[in-house]
Amino acid sequence: GAVVSQHPSRVICKSGTSVKIECRSLDFQATTMFWYRQFPKQSLMLMATSNEGSKATYEQGVEKDKFLINHASLTLSTLTVTSAHPEDSSFYICSARPTGYGTDTQYFGPGTRLTVL
Amino acid sequence: DAKTTQPPSMDCAEGRAANLPCNHSTISGNEYVYWYRQIHSQGPQYIIHGLKNNETNEMASLIITEDRKSSTLILPHATLRDTAVYYCIVGSGATNKLIFGTGTLLAVQP
Repeated sequence: GAVVSQHPSRVICKSGTSVKIECRSLDFQATTMFWYRQFPKQSLMLMATSNEGSKATYEQGVEKDKFLINHASLTLSTLTVTSAHPEDSSFYICSARPTGYGTDTQYFGPGTRLTVL
Repeated sequence: DAKTTQPPSMDCAEGRAANLPCNHSTISGNEYVYWYRQIHSQGPQYIIHGLKNNETNEMASLIITEDRKSSTLILPHATLRDTAVYYCIVGSGATNKLIFGTGTLLAVQP
């Protein structure tokens, strides 16, 4: 149980294009999902908290107009990297917190490797 | 959220117990201790969490000191597949956030 999927697992795009990454909780509902970014040899950095039916909350220094987050259902959150540039190349990971579990445990997706040329 | 301190790396022989320490001296009363691990190029995997009692599941045991200022994750019989970066995180229900530190790279040696 508690499986989170991400799609795509890997994407290569040209500079200036937009890329959408999907995060799905497969066997549970998640009112809250999270988006992280990880650069090589570094730890995960929290980018934003995604709340179903409301606006996402972004961490300091993360541009909300560049990283658009939509959490339209209890099992799906999407991250769109707009006008991507080479410095946006990174490993993007989502997580989901099961609704009503009484715990803050998060379950993570397998990650999406974004390469911007 | 309270910060955690972990050694950057540890070695362990295959088949032996791996004991990974974590200091969280500024933990407050309602904050849980979570352990995750990340195998190279994968998403983090949940291992275990606890508040003040010791916990055990099919993957590991979590020992939390009485003053809650430190904890130890125990993998009872380490295998090569346990080689990963292990993260100790302190989080509270108030923020729902998990802030990752630098973790401990556990290398299990054959």
